Amino acid sequence: EVVLTQSPATLSLSPGETATLSCRAAQPIFTYLAWYQQKPGQAPRLLIHSASKRATGIPARFSGSGSGTDFTLTISSLEPEDFAVYYCQQRYNWVLTFGGGTKVEIK
Amino acid sequence: QVQLQESGPRLVKPSETLSLTCTVSGGSIGDDTNFWGWIRQPPGKGLEWIGNIHYSGNVHYNLALKSRATISVDTSKNQFSLNLSSMTAADSATYYCARHQASVAGSPVDHWGQGTLVAVSS
Repeated sequence: EVVLTQSPATLSLSPGETATLSCRAAQPIFTYLAWYQQKPGQAPRLLIHSASKRATGIPARFSGSGSGTDFTLTISSLEPEDFAVYYCQQRYNWVLTFGGGTKVEIK
Repeated sequence: QVQLQESGPRLVKPSETLSLTCTVSGGSIGDDTNFWGWIRQPPGKGLEWIGNIHYSGNVHYNLALKSRATISVDTSKNQFSLNLSSMTAADSATYYCARHQASVAGSPVDHWGQGTLVAVSS
């Protein structure tokens, strides 16, 4: 399976600032990467698929980039509702894995 | 709007088999462009993919759970199910059923059930 490593584990920021989250794959996965947001007590929500394509209804302040092994989720001008845990996910040879998550907390 | 709803026991004894069912509404489980899967999350921890299935019966598993997990589909009831045998305390988690977009690279999950918390205890 392909291991995904997310960094940092925790990001402390203020509303209005920009969050930059990293996801690194142990081997190249083209652009087969998705990002999810999870708030306490809720199921995850799909934000980005195919590394850079926003899912339906996702605000433009969320953007994804990268290919191969290095990927980034950028949240521009953080809103209060953006403070949550973010996961990346990939599929390789029909096996899916998730990264360990990055918690974006209010500073 | 597609909705998924898990059902099954909230408490399982050690060594027993967990059986969960996911009922799909607002869409057909026979849609060729989707896989239907299970993902779990231990309390306070990250997400772990268990496996997924296509309505045709094509199924894929997390290699770490493959020996204990069985996923099946019932198109007549628009449901799919998970059986996880030899349960231990380490299997205590919130179990989510999910829809994977098979037509999109990476098979992202675009619909999730609300999740059901399963505890393993005698």
